[in-house]
Amino acid sequence: QALLEQSGAEVKKPGASVKVSCKTSGYTFTNHDINWVRQAPGQGLEWMGWMNPNSDYTGSARKFQGRLTMTRNTSISTAYMELSGLRLEDSAVYFCARRLAYWFDSWGQGTLVTVSS
Amino acid sequence: DIEMTQSPSSLSASIGDRVTITCRASRDISTFLNWYQQKPGKAPKLVIYGASTLQGGVPSRFSGSGSGTDFTLLISRLQPEDFGTYYCQQSYSSTFRYTFGQGTKLEIK
Repeated sequence: QALLEQSGAEVKKPGASVKVSCKTSGYTFTNHDINWVRQAPGQGLEWMGWMNPNSDYTGSARKFQGRLTMTRNTSISTAYMELSGLRLEDSAVYFCARRLAYWFDSWGQGTLVTVSS
Repeated sequence: DIEMTQSPSSLSASIGDRVTITCRASRDISTFLNWYQQKPGKAPKLVIYGASTLQGGVPSRFSGSGSGTDFTLLISRLQPEDFGTYYCQQSYSSTFRYTFGQGTKLEIK
């Protein structure tokens, strides 16, 4: 079955950038989009963006446009999410998720990003 | 973007109760509606996709219905392991912007 393993927790200062990795296994990486979803402490799920690992096409929520970069390394079946210009309110758990048809069937375990001065 | 609104925001129910959570889309999304369950400190887990199809391994006490703008998640006989927060998600967007509802926190009495 599909397995998504994310990189470890990060602590960043305001204005910095963070890059989270999502290493996949158990399926053909280029066959399914990877989505990124975040969850601020005590809050709901917020969809951020998607990336097609085959074409490298991406799309993102309007609020992240200009700050969110999604990339991939197909040789190691890994997707990356980089968020720049970090603000205190970007402190959250960031999840990657595989899109199967029209739903997200497999998720990473989450990566806690803390933005603190 | 398509906005999703869930109700209630939270509820408390007893073991064996019938529980209903509703989700409304800001426009017609046909049956492109998914439900996820999330427990504290864990990633969300897919429960229902396509408005009414049960994900493999999910107990049959869960069911989903609806189309267009109004959807329902039903738990027919609540079990202790069903606590958590439930999110609906639309997957109608042609640009793959699959937005979530704000969540419904289900507590066991």
